[in-house]
Amino acid sequence: GQQVMQIPQYQHVQEGEDFTTYCNSSTTLSNIQWYKQRPGGHPVFLIQLVKSGEVKKQKRLTFQFGEAKKNSSLHITATQTTDVGTYFCAVDQGAQKLVFGQGTRLTINP
Amino acid sequence: DGGITQSPKYLFRKEGQNVTLSCEQNLNHDAMYWYRQDPGQGLRLIYYSHIVNDFQKGDIAEGYSVSREKKESFPLTVTSAQKNPTAFYLCASRRDWSSYNEQFFGPGTRLTVL
Repeated sequence: GQQVMQIPQYQHVQEGEDFTTYCNSSTTLSNIQWYKQRPGGHPVFLIQLVKSGEVKKQKRLTFQFGEAKKNSSLHITATQTTDVGTYFCAVDQGAQKLVFGQGTRLTINP
Repeated sequence: DGGITQSPKYLFRKEGQNVTLSCEQNLNHDAMYWYRQDPGQGLRLIYYSHIVNDFQKGDIAEGYSVSREKKESFPLTVTSAQKNPTAFYLCASRRDWSSYNEQFFGPGTRLTVL
C-alpha cells in the first residue's frame, strides 16, 4: 500500500526561527493532507493539496506539493509557542482510507 | 455543535478484560475510522467503515472488534486477545469515502490496562 516517509521525526527551535517538515513518497500521490496535533490533543485538519506544484498559505504556514506529486512540505515562518505540536501528512490510499506519516514533533524554546 | 464524541476520556481496565470504547458523530458522515496512537508514534488504522453494517480491517485489527449498526455510532471493543492494549485511541469520520475530503477526529480515549 501507499507509504509516506516524514522527516524529521523531531525538531526543536528557538521561538522566531523557521521550521520545515517534509513528506516523501516513492509513488505519485493523488493528494496530500496536513494535520496538526497539539500535545494531549487530537489531530486537526490544516489543508489539502491536490495539484502538481501547488502552493497554499495560511498566515505563517506555507504548504507545497511537488511538481511530480511525490513530496510535500510544510514550512512555518517565525515560529511561535502556539505552533508546538506534531504535524502529520496523510495521503489517500485508493480513496478509501488515509495513510498517515509518522509525524514531526515540534518543540519551541521561548 | 456538530462533532465527534468519544467516551470516556480515560479508561482503566485489568488485564484479561474486554473493554468497549464509544464513538458518536452527528456530522452525518458515512465513513468512520478507529486509530491507535502510541507515545511519540503516528496513527495506525485499526478498523474502518464506509457505510452502515459494513466495516473493514485496517493495518492492526488483531485483538479488536467493531460494529456499525447506526450511521452515527462506531464502537470499538478491545479484547483480551490484544497483547498491548494500553494506548491512545482516536475515532474519526469523513463525509464519504469516495472523494478526497478531510477527516474529523474525536478527542480520543486513553486506555490503560493494568
